[in-house]
Amino acid sequence: DQQVKQNSPSLSVQEGRISILNCDYTNSMFDYFLWYKKYPAEGPTFLISISSIKDKNEDGRFTVFLNKSAKHLSLHIVPSQPGDSAVYFCAASAFHNQGGKLIFGQGTELSVKP
Amino acid sequence: AAGVIQSPRHLIKEKRETATLKCYPIPRHDTVYWYQQGPGQDPQFLISFYEKMQSDKGSIPDRFSAQQFSDYHSELNMSSLELGDSALYFCASSSGRAGYEQFFGPGTRLTVL
Repeated sequence: DQQVKQNSPSLSVQEGRISILNCDYTNSMFDYFLWYKKYPAEGPTFLISISSIKDKNEDGRFTVFLNKSAKHLSLHIVPSQPGDSAVYFCAASAFHNQGGKLIFGQGTELSVKP
Repeated sequence: AAGVIQSPRHLIKEKRETATLKCYPIPRHDTVYWYQQGPGQDPQFLISFYEKMQSDKGSIPDRFSAQQFSDYHSELNMSSLELGDSALYFCASSSGRAGYEQFFGPGTRLTVL
């Protein structure tokens, strides 16, 4: 039972263009969402997060959008840079009801081509 | 800035052996989480501790146990190792019982032969 889904295993984008990574979830108890970037053989690196009371959070080139009614969130990276190439994981937490454990999606491998 | 430290980074064991993985959280973080990531899979939550007490438990086998010590470091003990235990084991720390952002260590790659 995959509660957090990233349906695109890979995404290829040209440098300077926008990268849009998508994530869907099924558990309506989730109230906090996070995006992590991961390189092989390294730990996930926290990128950006959003609370369920918001619909947008922005940090530099990274913006996360949350659509609660659709149980969908997306990460926008603009402009994309070759150094952004990595696997991106969406994660969710039912913070107030089930503690802080994170439920991860399967990941999307982003490739930014020069 | 100080990050989460995990040791060892790599560990090779035989079947039925035991292994101990260590995690040192970011200073002043009081919550530790353990995750297991199998090949080609997403990280799966194992267990967490807040203020030295177990706070949540996920899909952790009975052969595994963990604890958090007075200095907030945590150890994951794994006994009767099986081939299927081969994976990356991540520790993450946060501030507060269910701190929003979790910061991950570099992981321990366990290989069971």
